Amino acid sequence: QQQVKQSPQSLIVQKGGISIINCAYENTAFDYFPWYQQFPGKGPALLIAIRPDVSEKKEGRFTISFNKSAKQFSLHIMDSQPGDSATYFCAAINSGTYKYIFGTGTRLKVLA
Amino acid sequence: DAGVTQSPTHLIKTRGQQVTLRCSPKSGHDTVSWYQQALGQGPQFIFQYYEEEERQRGNFPDRFSGHQFPNYSSELNVNALLLGDSALYLCASTLFIDRNEKLFFGSGTQLSVL
Repeated sequence: QQQVKQSPQSLIVQKGGISIINCAYENTAFDYFPWYQQFPGKGPALLIAIRPDVSEKKEGRFTISFNKSAKQFSLHIMDSQPGDSATYFCAAINSGTYKYIFGTGTRLKVLA
Repeated sequence: DAGVTQSPTHLIKTRGQQVTLRCSPKSGHDTVSWYQQALGQGPQFIFQYYEEEERQRGNFPDRFSGHQFPNYSSELNVNALLLGDSALYLCASTLFIDRNEKLFFGSGTQLSVL
């Protein structure tokens, strides 16, 4: 019940295309859902996050869509660029437990 | 403003040895979390320190222990190293913004156990 399932494991997108990464969870006590971007040799960096009281959040080219009833959320990267090539992790936390649960990651490659 | 700094960057140990990893949080951040990231996997929560006390712990054995100092810096100690402890160890300092706990990760310490 503590897992966050992420798909796909890897993704190849043409420059200018849309990258979509999906996550699903079981624990309904989760109340904060961030996405992290990680480049090789670096730690994950917070990209965008959402709380379950909204269905969508957009920041620049990055959008989170959240479906509370399906217990799913996804990251959309519009106009994908080669510089977006990285590993993306979804995560979830039950605030007050101080413990993030991360997905297994999606390795994105954007072709120039 | 310096980010989260971790040392050393890389470390090679043999089975049975002990290791200490160090972390300095971002300025103004008083909470430190440690995560283990195995190759090709997402980070897994080890524990969190706040006010020099372990506030929460993940599913890791007692071989994993930590400490937080009055200046908020932190150490992760692993005893009796196993081959399976080989991983990237990430430290994250935490800031609570608008009810949300936001993690700021360092670049990690790559531990190899031979």
